[in-house]
Amino acid sequence: QAQLQESGPGLVKPSETLSLTCTVSGGSLSNYYWSWLRQPPGKGLEWIGYIFYSGSTSYNPSLESRVTISLDMSKNHFSLKLTSVTAADTAVYYCTKDVSAVRWFLWGQGTLVTVSS
Amino acid sequence: DIVMTQFPLSLPVTPGEPASISCRSSQSLLHSNGNNYLDWYLQKPGQSPQLLIYLGSKRASGVPDRFSGSGSGTDFTLKISKVEAEDVGVYFCVQTLRTPIFTFGPGTKVDLK
Repeated sequence: QAQLQESGPGLVKPSETLSLTCTVSGGSLSNYYWSWLRQPPGKGLEWIGYIFYSGSTSYNPSLESRVTISLDMSKNHFSLKLTSVTAADTAVYYCTKDVSAVRWFLWGQGTLVTVSS
Repeated sequence: DIVMTQFPLSLPVTPGEPASISCRSSQSLLHSNGNNYLDWYLQKPGQSPQLLIYLGSKRASGVPDRFSGSGSGTDFTLKISKVEAEDVGVYFCVQTLRTPIFTFGPGTKVDLK
């Protein structure tokens, strides 16, 4: 059974770039959709975007100008970059895996990223 | 954009008793392929969300059969036939028809009476 683990800085300064990596263990990146979602403290979920193993991507229109999702087959991980962050980007960030682009079956444990100076 | 509403927003439950949560969409989630693009997730306290039901009524792998989903178009229901203590948490629905704008419901907090 594959497992996902998010990693990256827990604190990012305003206007800087948030960078997270999701490492996949127990399986390859092939044939799946790999997504990022986030959840601000005490609030609901927001889908950020996905990348298919082929490299095709789709992003939430509200974040599209600031988001890049990429994958590295050799390292078996995929990454999220979110530029020009503000306090509104403070959230628990989750990475997920599914055979469908519109579903999120396997989740990482999540990582809290706080945007603060 | 599609707006998702849920009710109730808080649901005290008694173990062994049934429970039901409703989710309503401002637009039909019925695709021409016959599928309703409405999923249900449960987020237990301190945990990541887990997929319970997809396409309105299909139970995800590993989900106990006490969970069932029903409905079509704009009105959907998640039912727990006999609540267990481990079922507490926040249940939320999400529409996945109008991509790439997935819309989540506000969540229904289920806890024990």
